[in-house]
Amino acid sequence: NAGVTQTPKFRILKIGQSMTLQCTQDMNHNYMYWYRQDPGMGLKLIYYSVGAGITDKGEVPNGYNVSRSTTEDFPLRLELAAPSQTSVYFCASSYGGQGPYNEQFFGPGTRLTVL
Amino acid sequence: DAKTTQPPSMDCAEGRAANLPCNHSTISGNEYVYWYRQIHSQGPQYIIHGLKNNETNEMASLIITEDRKSSTLILPHATLRDTAVYYCIVRGDQTGANNLFFGTGTRLTVIP
Repeated sequence: NAGVTQTPKFRILKIGQSMTLQCTQDMNHNYMYWYRQDPGMGLKLIYYSVGAGITDKGEVPNGYNVSRSTTEDFPLRLELAAPSQTSVYFCASSYGGQGPYNEQFFGPGTRLTVL
Repeated sequence: DAKTTQPPSMDCAEGRAANLPCNHSTISGNEYVYWYRQIHSQGPQYIIHGLKNNETNEMASLIITEDRKSSTLILPHATLRDTAVYYCIVRGDQTGANNLFFGTGTRLTVIP
């Protein structure tokens, strides 16, 4: 199993450009998440999905969009990049459920710089 | 979800036990304690979790006090590869976001 994979690893965007961060998991997990991590800070949830066709906002959703057409894929879209979106983005997945089934598996991250 | 308090940094000599404390004084009865770590800006990695009883796996041990207001993660024989930021997270048995609230964690440095 590859686990959770993310592409690209690095990206530099100009202000106002758009891009999609890709995330794929091969563990047949129902739940998928997007987090961002600013320097020296913990992770903040952007969006999450509890299954194909179902998504919902997290703590910091403004400026982002997501879709979940398949169990495996959960892309994150930035429409009009701003310097405040410079961050490291992590995708994660979990079996879901409750209590002991909350273990989340994280991808390696995408380092995005907006200039 | 209950808030947690961790020291910002700790050092540990290689080969010794690393004991990382976490306070969660507002934890409620159905909330679990989770520990994750993040090595040098990689994605966080699950270590262990517990509810009431002490837990042990191949990576670490988790000791939860009887009143559940604090816990300690123990790495029995720390190696240089254990240098990382360790996050203590408390969350309930709930549906919905299922997400984890990461604070700033404890930066553990293992010294040769």
